[in-house]
Amino acid sequence: DTGVSQDPRHKITKRGQNVTFRCDPISEHNRLYWYRQTLGQGPEFLTYFQNEAQLEKSRLLSDRFSAERPKGSFSTLEIQRTEQGDSAMYLCASSRTSGSDNEQFFGPGTRLTVL
Amino acid sequence: SQQGEEDPQALSIQEGENATMNCSYKTSINNLQWYRQNSGRGLVHLILIRSNEREKHSGRLRVTLDTSKKSSSLLITASRAADTASYFCAIRGSNRDDKIIFGKGTRLHILP
Repeated sequence: DTGVSQDPRHKITKRGQNVTFRCDPISEHNRLYWYRQTLGQGPEFLTYFQNEAQLEKSRLLSDRFSAERPKGSFSTLEIQRTEQGDSAMYLCASSRTSGSDNEQFFGPGTRLTVL
Repeated sequence: SQQGEEDPQALSIQEGENATMNCSYKTSINNLQWYRQNSGRGLVHLILIRSNEREKHSGRLRVTLDTSKKSSSLLITASRAADTASYFCAIRGSNRDDKIIFGKGTRLHILP
């Protein structure tokens, strides 16, 4: 399967713990995006990378959140000291280098539950 | 806000009927995209319409864009049970920013 993959698919953690999610984009895609989606809402933009450079971070991304893409391939999203409000689906997407028609391909998401 | 807003929030129709969903936005756009999401899964890109286009077709999908009214519609003809999903419009603004902003979606349910 050459689509976007995310790991794990589900994560249950206790409040205060740290969690890390991984996203593997489509191999030839330079851009990688992270979104968060809560029940009944559309995806909310968190951050995106062009190769290894993090180009933009949403104000939704508090200091407890950090994302990396060290070699310009896979990316990780870490949440420190998780809170119940962090419970959501975390979606990753990738696309080719910016062009006005660059379609984003989404992974299946990681569902986080903070108890 | 750059976010698109879909209307209606939820829609139930009989299989075989046509389904129409609308999206309104407030800023100038580079393009507008429609995505589908089946329950608990990732999003699938359906169709993209540029700001200088008025209508596009893809299979049973028809998208229109009216930039003067800042609105778009997605029409699914001859609906099928497999069309049951949430549908989101996503706005790419006219600045050089590359991100897209999603609306809250329309939940479509096709009745057998």
